[in-house]
Amino acid sequence: LAKTTQPISMDSYEGQEVNITCSHNNIATNDYITWYQQFPSQGPRFIIQGYKTKVTNEVASLFIPADRKSSTLSLPRVSLSDTAVYYCLVDIYSSASKIIFGSGTRLSIRP
Amino acid sequence: DAGVIQSPRHEVTEMGQEVTLRCKPISGHNSLFWYRQTMMRGLELLIYFNNNVPIDDSGMPEDRFSAKMPNASFSTLKIQPSEPRDSAVYFCASSKKGLAGGWHEQYFGPGTRLTVT
Repeated sequence: LAKTTQPISMDSYEGQEVNITCSHNNIATNDYITWYQQFPSQGPRFIIQGYKTKVTNEVASLFIPADRKSSTLSLPRVSLSDTAVYYCLVDIYSSASKIIFGSGTRLSIRP
Repeated sequence: DAGVIQSPRHEVTEMGQEVTLRCKPISGHNSLFWYRQTMMRGLELLIYFNNNVPIDDSGMPEDRFSAKMPNASFSTLKIQPSEPRDSAVYFCASSKKGLAGGWHEQYFGPGTRLTVT
């Protein structure tokens, strides 16, 4: 099973750009990379999904190098409300697939 | 759309009792997932359904846990008998499974906080 590795925690300040990197060395050809955000007492919320190169939406950007063994979630100009846990997933394409959320990265934003 | 609906939001029960958690997925979604989240083990996938059929239940911890999806708009997760170590937040999520095999984003419900004393 493809497994992801990401930093346990990160700190930053309001207005800064935050980049969270995730390693997924065993990613398969058909796998996508998906990032979720989770606030306390809530279910995870989808942020962004990509396959290769760069994907951007109104919330974040996702950078994926050519070998796809890692990915970087970029949050521009963070605010206090971006304090949350961020999970990197590899969506496994198979009939016996299993989605693994991992430990996530606890991001703390300070004033 | 109201999103994924879960009930109850909180459940407190005594060890040995049967617990039933309920989930209503988003209309039009063909995949449904049950997760359990604890501080020790994080977010774990228990079981997922595609078109109401259980596809992978390898995450179900033991025979005390069972899940059903009798139709596209309703699913249950049952624990019988419940034990204190089952205390956790249980999330239900739904998604569309693409033609190529993968999932689009999952939409999570608010969760059910289960406490077994």
